[in-house]
Amino acid sequence: KQEVTQIPAALSVPEGENLVLNCSFTDSAIYNLQWFRQDPGKGLTSLLLIQSSQREQTSGRLNASLDKSSGRSTLYIAASQPGDSATYLCAVTWGGKLIFGQGTELSVKP
Amino acid sequence: GAVVSQHPSWVICKSGTSVKIECRSLDFQATTMFWYRQFPKQSLMLMATSNEGSKATYEQGVEKDKFLINHASLTLSTLTVTSAHPEDSSFYICSARGGQGEGQPQHFGDGTRLSIL
Repeated sequence: KQEVTQIPAALSVPEGENLVLNCSFTDSAIYNLQWFRQDPGKGLTSLLLIQSSQREQTSGRLNASLDKSSGRSTLYIAASQPGDSATYLCAVTWGGKLIFGQGTELSVKP
Repeated sequence: GAVVSQHPSWVICKSGTSVKIECRSLDFQATTMFWYRQFPKQSLMLMATSNEGSKATYEQGVEKDKFLINHASLTLSTLTVTSAHPEDSSFYICSARGGQGEGQPQHFGDGTRLSIL
């Protein structure tokens, strides 16, 4: 069975701070790992996808790393902005399915 | 590209009513579609996986007679919540995947908020 855990569950930071969101998974036999953003009452926006053979992916102010052997991924957000406020979900492709973590609710204060 | 449209976005209905939710891939052919359920402050839980022209595969604990899934074409899947009751109130999200193999990304709809009175 695959379980995905995200820490912290909620995070509040002042604007401009750099921050790190954590994701861990129990079975390292994943196909890939994705980070999503979800705004309240909305669907998911894919931010970054890391294949199992890759170590990291970058897009703008976002950088995601993957350490498959230890079952961990981090999402680094540089120079946070109020518009970054949302719930961030980590998910692994495992057994043909996407298994999601519980998410980290991020609030960036102006 | 890779847009998934989900309709309706919000529905309120009386207990006992059946509700149909549509999920369409607008600019690609979705060989596989997925239906998820999300409770407030919780993550997405996979309900079922459907391949075009085949019966859906339901996750453990999901009642297939309660949640009817049809994937009749490569661009449309529907989820029908039959005889809905207040405990069925939730946020339902679909996703679609093109091509073959689990390496292809899933593209998500904007979700449907279902409220049963």
